[in-house]
Order: sequence, then structure tokens, then C-alpha cells
Amino acid sequence: GDSVTQMEGPVTLSEEAFLTINCTYTATGYPSLFWYVQYPGEGLQLLLKATKADDKGSNKGFEATYRKETTSFHLEKGSVQVSDSAVYFCALSDLTGGGNKLTFGTGTQLKVEL
Amino acid sequence: NAGVMQNPRHLVRRRGQEARLRCSPMKGHSHVYWYRQLPEEGLKFMVYLQKENIIDESGMPKERFSAEFPKEGPSILRIQQVVRGDSAAYFCASGPGGSETQYFGPGTRLLVL
Repeated sequence: GDSVTQMEGPVTLSEEAFLTINCTYTATGYPSLFWYVQYPGEGLQLLLKATKADDKGSNKGFEATYRKETTSFHLEKGSVQVSDSAVYFCALSDLTGGGNKLTFGTGTQLKVEL
Repeated sequence: NAGVMQNPRHLVRRRGQEARLRCSPMKGHSHVYWYRQLPEEGLKFMVYLQKENIIDESGMPKERFSAEFPKEGPSILRIQQVVRGDSAAYFCASGPGGSETQYFGPGTRLLVL
């Protein structure tokens, strides 16, 4: 079945540092890929998405490129802020059988310090 | 435009009681999804519903769990005879037909004593 693997956290960075959170996936078809962010005590917010190979999703300084050849969708940001501290989830959508369920990675906690 | 609404936000039940979790999708959305997040884990798909129909329940435990999305009113996730292992955050998401993007509610955090 489909699966998503993320790098384990927590990832601790200083403010203005460069961020990379690795995400690789396994899927039988051609899924769409997503990054969601979860702040403490809250639900998930869609951060960005890409629907086909070589697409780049971007939002709020974050970006990720859909790499079919490496089955990856790594999240990057050039300069993180304290307010970026949260848990980040990589996910793919599965349209098998007419459904649309999301398969999530286990999440990567990011802590940004001054 | 209100987002996805879930209530209650926190729910405490004793073992053997029933838990009812409610989800109101975003205006104009006819598709509802339920996910469960166990402590320190990612979200796991449970069930996908459209109005009055269950489309995919492959992630639902075979016993004690049920879901509905009636023609009128919110979607309900019902857990009968709760056990401690049911303690988790339950998230609802909604989406319009024809789109893969799902919008999540704030979740209901269930604690079983």
C-alpha cells in the first residue's frame, strides 16, 4: 500500500537558519503530494501541495518540489522564524476506488530558537 | 466563511461509555473525512463519507466504531463502549467534490479514563 516516510525529529534550528525536512513516498499510481503544518493544540493547516511530477508548491517562504525519479517531496525554507515552530506532516492522496484519503507521514517537529 | 467545525474540542469518557464526535464541514463541501491521531504519531485515515453515503471505511475498526453524514446536520463519529486505547485526537476534514485538497477542523481530543 501507499506510505510516506519523513525524517525523524525534533529538528532544532536557530532563527534565520536553512530548513530541510525530508519526505519520500511509495505509491502505486501518481499521487498528489502535500505538506501540512500543525501548531500546538490545533488542527492541520495545508501549507503547500503539488499535483504532478516537477511541480513546485510554495507558500509563506516554504517550498517543495515533486520529484518522481526519487519519489521525494522535501520541504525547504531559506530562513526560518520562531513562529515556524510546529509539527510538519508530509502526505499523499490516494484516489484508489474513487476515494480520496490522505496517507500521512509520522510528522517532524521543528523547534526554532532565537 | 467559517472553516470546518468540530465539537466538542475535548471529551472525557469512562471505559464502557459512548463517545459522539461531531463535524460540520465548510460551507459548500459535501465530502467529509475522519482521521485519528494517536500520541506521537501521524494521522490515520478512518472513513470517507458523502451525504448519506459511506464511500470508504477501510480505516475504521471493525467493532464499536461507526460514522454517518446525514442529509441534514453534522457528520457524527460514534464510538461505543470506549476503551483506553481509543484515547486520541480525532480530526475531521472536508472538501468539495472533484478536489483532492482537504481542510481540517481543530479536532476533538478524547480521553478515556
